[in-house]
Amino acid sequence: SQTIHQWPATLVQPVGSPLSLECTVEGTSNPNLYWYRQAAGRGLQLLFYSVGIGQISSEVPQNLSASRPQDRQFILSSKKLLLSDSGFYLCAWSVRGRMTWNTEAFFGQGTRLTVV
Amino acid sequence: GNSVTQMEGPVTLSEEAFLTINCTYTATGYPSLFWYVQYPGEGLQLLLKATKADDKGSNKGFEATYRKETTSFHLEKGSVQVSDSAVYFCALSSSGGYNKLIFGAGTRLAVHP
Repeated sequence: SQTIHQWPATLVQPVGSPLSLECTVEGTSNPNLYWYRQAAGRGLQLLFYSVGIGQISSEVPQNLSASRPQDRQFILSSKKLLLSDSGFYLCAWSVRGRMTWNTEAFFGQGTRLTVV
Repeated sequence: GNSVTQMEGPVTLSEEAFLTINCTYTATGYPSLFWYVQYPGEGLQLLLKATKADDKGSNKGFEATYRKETTSFHLEKGSVQVSDSAVYFCALSSSGGYNKLIFGAGTRLAVHP
């Protein structure tokens, strides 16, 4: 069966420090991968998605970047964190392809990031 | 652009009460519609989905019907339990869009004994 791992679960970082959140998927190949953020009091917003190794699409301009160095690994990074980067970050995967809008997305447990 | 509007919470109910959480959407084409649930301290998990007009998704006593004429996908449950306390998100995925999800703001449900 497929599983998705996301770590760490919680993180407190000072303003201006770097960030690296990692997500890995097991039990499937060539998934679409996603990073979402849930800011306090707000809904979920798609930050990045990837349809293949090295292929990253950004949905919103921001202080963050994403990379996909391996098929089932998705990394969210920042060189210098801002207070506004605080939130709950969720990694997700779905089956590969563009014509898959009727399929389920599977989410990790999330990382709660607090920038102080 | 595409969007999802969801009733604001929190919604507070007594056990065995009837639940309705309203959700309306704006989208071109023929999106798929989803309800996801987030239990405290956890990630999201799919509750139910509907992929075409007039489809009814159901799971764990929850139901929602894809109404294209009113662009709605309201979530209902006839008798809620304390264990249903969670945040509920309505979402859509556009056809041909790599399954990118657009979420509503979420509705927090608290059920008391």
